[in-house]
Amino acid sequence: SQQGEEDPQALSIQEGENATMNCSYKTSINNLQWYRQNSGRGLVHLILIRSNEREKHSGRLRVTLDTSKKSSSLLITASRAADTASYFCATDGRYGNKLVFGAGTILRVKS
Amino acid sequence: ETGVTQTPRHLVMGMTNKKSLKCEQHLGHNAMYWYKQSAKKPLELMFVYSLEERVENNSVPSRFSPECPNSSHLFLHLHTLQPEDSALYLCASSQGASGYNEQFFGPGTRLTVL
Repeated sequence: SQQGEEDPQALSIQEGENATMNCSYKTSINNLQWYRQNSGRGLVHLILIRSNEREKHSGRLRVTLDTSKKSSSLLITASRAADTASYFCATDGRYGNKLVFGAGTILRVKS
Repeated sequence: ETGVTQTPRHLVMGMTNKKSLKCEQHLGHNAMYWYKQSAKKPLELMFVYSLEERVENNSVPSRFSPECPNSSHLFLHLHTLQPEDSALYLCASSQGASGYNEQFFGPGTRLTVL
């Protein structure tokens, strides 16, 4: 069964605005990862957050993790047209032996 | 450029054809993966190889046959496919076959089965 589920399914914003995407999961995890996919291309790793971390930053990206609510959020600040892509969360599943991906959020940044 | 290459990038095949997808990683990783990505569905893990041994096979039909001759190369052999097998097939690699590590993805092969 699907572990991570992203919300919203699609998001459209203006360039310069912030974009927030959420991910919920069902079982306990060791880590949660976020990936980006440009249309028809492979996934690119953005950030990994461990279960004992609450927040992590990388450039314009900010990821939070709330293990009590089994949820994570990805914030992209000062969005750019080049941020237009699908964003996926992935968790290491019940046994930590593989990544399980959600269905993704499609982000469109209008210039 | 992620260090993982896939060929071909696009493939159109009939249901009676036999073809192979190739993946090569230049990162020195010891684990490789095949994923299937269909429209409006989450990424599906198909196969996992660790140190050239298959460690995961997610109930994939036998018309898909993986091969990992060494830690840098991974193949997916295809035969008698169905139209519903049309999808983007992604290869990935990581250091260690677990969900604990970042995975590096290739650009994918867009497969169309007629």
